[in-house]
Amino acid sequence: AQSVTQLGSHVSVSEGALVLLRCNYSSSVPPYLFWYVQYPNQGLQLLLKYTSAATLVKGINGFEAEFKKSETSFHLTKPSAHMSDAAEYFCAVSENAGNMLTFGGGTRLMVKP
Amino acid sequence: NAGVTQTPKFQVLKTGQSMTLQCAQDMNHEYMSWYRQDPGMGLRLIHYSVGAGITDQGEVPNGYNVSRSTTEDFPLRLLSAAPSQTSVYFCASRRTGEAGNTIYFGEGSWLTVV
Repeated sequence: AQSVTQLGSHVSVSEGALVLLRCNYSSSVPPYLFWYVQYPNQGLQLLLKYTSAATLVKGINGFEAEFKKSETSFHLTKPSAHMSDAAEYFCAVSENAGNMLTFGGGTRLMVKP
Repeated sequence: NAGVTQTPKFQVLKTGQSMTLQCAQDMNHEYMSWYRQDPGMGLRLIHYSVGAGITDQGEVPNGYNVSRSTTEDFPLRLLSAAPSQTSVYFCASRRTGEAGNTIYFGEGSWLTVV
């Protein structure tokens, strides 16, 4: 079975600072990888996904992620944090022909003014 | 532009009671699923369906039943609620065909079992 590890359950950055949220996965086959964002009391919204095309994936709200096969990583970055980025972020890997998403434990991003 | 709609949004149950969480999607997606979200554990798959009349178990199916009689609807039934089923439940759907197709989530249903 595949697994996803998100390092750091809580990350705090200052407004304008770089955002880096870490995700490592284990997979025996080429993976499909996703980042979702969840705002308080809401569902999950897709930020971006990797489907074996370009290794650098750009998403919504200025986020991007780079797939590194040698490191089995798919870290999420944003050059400059905004207060509105405060939310919980989930990394996920698709398996079973896409019928199951395996999620990491989530990282809560806090943005300080 | 409804997408994935879940009802109810909030529910309190007593131990042993039964209830059904409703899920409907208007995107004509073949695939539908139910996840539960617990602190620090991300989301875990309960059951999924790849079309009407077809269902399968996910990672944590015990205590839950599903059926899929139409493409649009995928209800989740708790036959005898337990405190361990206190959680936030999310319904999701996607087009089948490509494993990388985006999964769309509903707004969630907060369930408390006392």
